[in-house]
Amino acid sequence: GAGVSQSPSNKVTEKGKDVELRCDPISGHTALYWYRQSLGQGLEFLIYFQGNSAPDKSGLPSDRFSAERTGGSVSTLTIQRTQQEDSAVYLCASSFTGGPYNEQFFGPGTRLTVL
Amino acid sequence: EDKVVQSPLSLVVHEGDTVTLNCSYEVTNFRSLLWYKQEKKAPTFLFMLTSSGIEKKSGRLSSILDKKELFSILNITATQTGDSAIYLCAVPGGATNKLIFGTGTLLAVQP
Repeated sequence: GAGVSQSPSNKVTEKGKDVELRCDPISGHTALYWYRQSLGQGLEFLIYFQGNSAPDKSGLPSDRFSAERTGGSVSTLTIQRTQQEDSAVYLCASSFTGGPYNEQFFGPGTRLTVL
Repeated sequence: EDKVVQSPLSLVVHEGDTVTLNCSYEVTNFRSLLWYKQEKKAPTFLFMLTSSGIEKKSGRLSSILDKKELFSILNITATQTGDSAIYLCAVPGGATNKLIFGTGTLLAVQP
């Protein structure tokens, strides 16, 4: 596609349920990043993929969070046993190679609300 | 620890005004600084700056970097209501170039 796409755009879930968030990066981009933006917080890094590998998972807040990327393309972020503090906008970005001189292009995000 | 600080946190101006948004940074092994505009959810890329003193310009927006004093500014001239947004500054950090963001400047342009 022309840009980064994410689905769903909005997700409301009950505390304790599992959720899956999807990201479709720009075709040909090998680097994929997940970020989270909570109310009153800046954008925080979660995880980075280069191809199908995740060499940097340092931003995942707990072991309830996991992510995978298949075929060097689509990525799924899974949150198990959701908690209210997981409520945030989850943003995905891709860049051509992940180098410091490549722009990161963001998707429209998924707004997650945990009741 | 790598850090990006933006000021002001928020700003209210009238159409036609000129605004200057500030971004200071502390980062190991600086390579580039990026500015984004966030209107709803998706930040949209504005500029990437890598060299001091070279202004990047796009229409009414311009930006410049000072690598000696470790800051960048984003200028918007003749503001319009459509410029109302959060403006984010970020630097790539670490070996994986994950973006380290400031908290952003919320700009509101009143008619």
